[in-house]
Amino acid sequence: GAVVSQHPSWVICKSGTSVKIECRSLDFQATTMFWYRQFPKQSLMLMATSNEGSKATYEQGVEKDKFLINHASLTLSTLTVTSAHPEDSSFYICSARKGNTGELFFGEGSRLTVL
Amino acid sequence: GENVEQHPSTLSVQEGDSAVIKCTYSDSASNYFPWYKQELGKRPQLIIDIRSNVGEKKDQRIAVTLNKTAKHFSLHITETQPEDSAVYFCAATQRGAQKLVFGQGTRLTINP
Repeated sequence: GAVVSQHPSWVICKSGTSVKIECRSLDFQATTMFWYRQFPKQSLMLMATSNEGSKATYEQGVEKDKFLINHASLTLSTLTVTSAHPEDSSFYICSARKGNTGELFFGEGSRLTVL
Repeated sequence: GENVEQHPSTLSVQEGDSAVIKCTYSDSASNYFPWYKQELGKRPQLIIDIRSNVGEKKDQRIAVTLNKTAKHFSLHITETQPEDSAVYFCAATQRGAQKLVFGQGTRLTINP
């Protein structure tokens, strides 16, 4: 299968700081990537759809000014959590669709802990 | 938009027995239904998927059935093994569509 890599795998930061998470498709080009958030023992909730070369599409209730998404190339999307607070602590997972098959490939996930 | 409901939320079975997880979806236009397995702290892994032009698909001990009329699909795991213990998510989307909508997840525990 295709490979999607996410970095960092975990990060601890102080409240008020910003954190950037990278998502890379290593062996295919992805015009579209997706960012999910997963709280403990809960499902994956789609935050936004990242489109290469254009603005991201955010789901209802997700603050676009807090969760900045940049998809500058066909293999890289970044999620920046700005002015992070403890309630932003979560497992953030990106995914990318290879071709038009419908199958999504997920990154390893990034566990964010805000103190 | 699409809404996916998954049941049960937890399931415990004896090793060797079968496990069944059920999902319903709301959007009749959805035509792609994947199932993911997620172990603690790891990424979801696709284990099987089915498209709306097929009623059943099987891969060794895993099978998925789809009832388009009733808008529900199920995951069947036979001869369960301890390594099958994980959280399983169903999902639904339209082929080529942007979004994949996930069910709430089922925590499956296989008791030795």
